[in-house]
Amino acid sequence: DAGVIQSPRHEVTEMGQEVTLRCKPISGHNSLFWYRQTMMRGLELLIYFNNNVPIDDSGMPEDRFSAKMPNASFSTLKIQPSEPRDSAVYFCASSLSLPPSSGANVLTFGAGSRLTVL
Amino acid sequence: GESVGLHLPTLSVQEGDNSIINCAYSNSASDYFIWYKQESGKGPQFIIDIRSNMDKRQGQRVTVLLNKTVKHLSLQIAATQPGDSAVYFCAENRPRDNYGQNFVFGPGTRLSVLP
Repeated sequence: DAGVIQSPRHEVTEMGQEVTLRCKPISGHNSLFWYRQTMMRGLELLIYFNNNVPIDDSGMPEDRFSAKMPNASFSTLKIQPSEPRDSAVYFCASSLSLPPSSGANVLTFGAGSRLTVL
Repeated sequence: GESVGLHLPTLSVQEGDNSIINCAYSNSASDYFIWYKQESGKGPQFIIDIRSNMDKRQGQRVTVLLNKTVKHLSLQIAATQPGDSAVYFCAENRPRDNYGQNFVFGPGTRLSVLP
């Protein structure tokens, strides 16, 4: 398995531009997570999908951020318009989420997308 | 003004010595814990995990200890090698009402292996 695949690996854009980050989870995984990592705040959960349905988006900073999961093999995180404070590394992770009796399972992370907004 | 970032604790150990990295978690209902290793420019990589019904689990050169009484988790690395230099994160899963997952990550500890 190729693991979780994210693109682009690096993006430099100007304030006000739209940014779209992409993620392909591991085949067979039914949960997908978007995290943001900064020096200020560490790893923060932005949004969590289960079976393509958003379960928890309480971490999405504001209306400028949106995420979609149109099918089990693809998700996007969009920022429009982007601002310098959005500069961070954005990680996508996936897992196989099972019923409570089976317990939680390991999150597998992608390599991340480093975003710089000038 | 000056920005204030996370102060990452740093652990420096001599090559060949054992390392112990500690983590305090906050939610007594957390039922699953994972240690991740993150090297510069890469995503967090799974090292070892432990469920709340256990207090110790061993892998290759690594051991995780869980003390639920004081909500403390530790990662022990035996015979630390230069390739172990990285930032290590603990993650706790806080159960949701449905069967979803809710991993919360600690701030991380930077391990520096000295030659």
